[in-house]
Amino acid sequence: DGGITQSPKYLFRKEGQNVTLSCEQNLNHDAMYWYRQDPGQGLRLIYYSQIVNDFQKGDIAEGYSVSREKKESFPLTVTSAQKNPTAFYLCASRGTLGGYGYTFGSGTRLTVV
Amino acid sequence: QQQVKQSPQSLIVQKGGISIINCAYENTAFDYFPWYQQFPGKGPALLIAIRPDVSEKKEGRFTISFNKSAKQFSLHIMDSQPGDSATYFCAASTNSGNTPLVFGKGTRLSVIA
Repeated sequence: DGGITQSPKYLFRKEGQNVTLSCEQNLNHDAMYWYRQDPGQGLRLIYYSQIVNDFQKGDIAEGYSVSREKKESFPLTVTSAQKNPTAFYLCASRGTLGGYGYTFGSGTRLTVV
Repeated sequence: QQQVKQSPQSLIVQKGGISIINCAYENTAFDYFPWYQQFPGKGPALLIAIRPDVSEKKEGRFTISFNKSAKQFSLHIMDSQPGDSATYFCAASTNSGNTPLVFGKGTRLSVIA
């Protein structure tokens, strides 16, 4: 089945530690996105990529980094510079054919311990 | 300019009733308006979407009403069921969906028997 796989489902980070969230898709979609979800805040855009080896900052990029070396993969690193990383992180992708809807992964819940 | 304002924040509806969620926007360049449904611990899933060349779109029990002059759009869920209990997000984007979606803050719907 085609879809987006995010891993791990739960992740715990110690203070001062960098952690990387994985996002893999087998939908052959060009565009991929990372959103952060906090209670009552909706989904806020962190980074997005519309093509391999290219990505743009979203509204809340500070303290995060990404790479897009392969079409299928768009990992997100939460660095120690992100002071409040506890949140639910969602990866999404969008194809260029058949409408403009996003396909979302099941999310990674990151908690600082 | 990029915001999408969603109301209400939470909604309780009797089984069989109509659930109505509203969204408003300022950016007249928005040309794609989707609604997403999210269950706890899952990623959002596309429910229904509309473009500004139509005033209404219906899919089963779900209807989007779009008022271009008022810059508002709404989701109506007819014959609401307990299984519809979820968080609903409106969103918008420009350039026929080629720019990242901007999301509302979400509405938590509870359908009670």
